[in-house]
Amino acid sequence: EAGVTQSPTHLIKTRGQQATLRCSPISGHTSVYWYQQALGLGLQFLLWYDEGEERNRGNFPPRFSGRQFPNYSSELNVNALELEDSALYLCASSRGFGGSTDTQYFGPGTRLTVL
Amino acid sequence: AQSVTQLGSHVSVSEGALVLLRCNYSSSVPPYLFWYVQYPNQGLQLLLKYTSAATLVKGINGFEAEFKKSETSFHLTKPSAHMSDAAEYFCAVSGQGGSEKLVFGKGTKLTVNP
Repeated sequence: EAGVTQSPTHLIKTRGQQATLRCSPISGHTSVYWYQQALGLGLQFLLWYDEGEERNRGNFPPRFSGRQFPNYSSELNVNALELEDSALYLCASSRGFGGSTDTQYFGPGTRLTVL
Repeated sequence: AQSVTQLGSHVSVSEGALVLLRCNYSSSVPPYLFWYVQYPNQGLQLLLKYTSAATLVKGINGFEAEFKKSETSFHLTKPSAHMSDAAEYFCAVSGQGGSEKLVFGKGTKLTVNP
């Protein structure tokens, strides 16, 4: 069974540009989560999508946005990039509203560098 | 609200020695607890999870963790460290299995010395 995949592996942008990160969940999973892992800040929850809807959002400005497509893949968009957006962005998927038996499985991440 | 505290950002052990990584949690609802491992330049891999079925949870690679409600702890242990265990370990809490956001601790980097 294929795991969570993310693209691109690395992304280099300059300040003020927009970045688009993509995630494909494990087959059969309907929930996709995005986390930011920035140096010194640890892993922070960004967004949660399930069945195409945004279910929860972390404490991030509106320039962080995303969407989930009918095939359950997801896109994270970061507008007006700032230097502090440089981080590893991790995507996870789960079966969605599975209660105690559900688990989030993570992809390898996209390393975003803002110059 | 939920939070996780991992005591010790760096832990160093000798190969063959006991590994003990500490995790304390705070949760306003019955918690679901997880340990993930991250190898350099990789994503997170699930080691084990507690979902209220049993207080002692066995995971992959010989790791286990015990849920102690009275101490609000979920420490990770392994009887004998291997060089391949060197990685960063994250404890996380969720209020509803894995079906909502995970709140992570800041991580503990484990070094295994030969």
